[in-house]
Amino acid sequence: DAGVTQSPTHLIKTRGQQVTLRCSPKSGHDTVSWYQQALGQGPQFIFQYYEEEERQRGNFPDRFSGHQFPNYSSELNVNALLLGDSALYLCASSPGTGHPYEQYFGPGTRLTVT
Amino acid sequence: TQLLEQSPQFLSIQEGENLTVYCNSSSVFSSLQWYRQEPGEGPVLLVTVVTGGEVKKLKRLTFQFGDARKDSSLHITAAQPGDTGLYLCAGEMILSSSNTGKLIFGQGTTLQVKP
Repeated sequence: DAGVTQSPTHLIKTRGQQVTLRCSPKSGHDTVSWYQQALGQGPQFIFQYYEEEERQRGNFPDRFSGHQFPNYSSELNVNALLLGDSALYLCASSPGTGHPYEQYFGPGTRLTVT
Repeated sequence: TQLLEQSPQFLSIQEGENLTVYCNSSSVFSSLQWYRQEPGEGPVLLVTVVTGGEVKKLKRLTFQFGDARKDSSLHITAAQPGDTGLYLCAGEMILSSSNTGKLIFGQGTTLQVKP
């Protein structure tokens, strides 16, 4: 049973560029959440997708956008990259409803903005 | 404002010692989850506590949820070098508009266990 997968593993971009990160959820999961994690810190919630719609959003600017496809996979797009966007981007999947709300994380994409 | 405060942020101990990590908040959570993360990997769920006062044990790890569901602790007995990693607590906040929630993470506790 495949877990959560993310691509690419590492990425280096220049300020002002745009980036797309990809995530495939764990089998049987239909909800995908994205997090940004700075080195040595806890993950910060970006947004969550369910049924191809953004269900909730954290405190991130509109430069951060996403999409969910009919097969539940998801993309995170970041426009006009800033140096401060350098971080580990984590994707987590979970069943769409139910409590407790346990999430299963992928290995992350390390984004470096120069 | 950090909703979940973890302490200590860094801990370096010798193999065989005991330790406790605390996770505190002024908010009530419907559940509290503990994750462990190793460098270059995503967080791995260790345990979920749901009921106030609940205690769960996972081998040498003991997790407790506070009676008011605002705080939690992780106690490790006889720590081993393999326990080294970043420990994260995450509180689940239920969305009133849907039957699901989101996770609010603490800033993490970096544990180093020396042989």
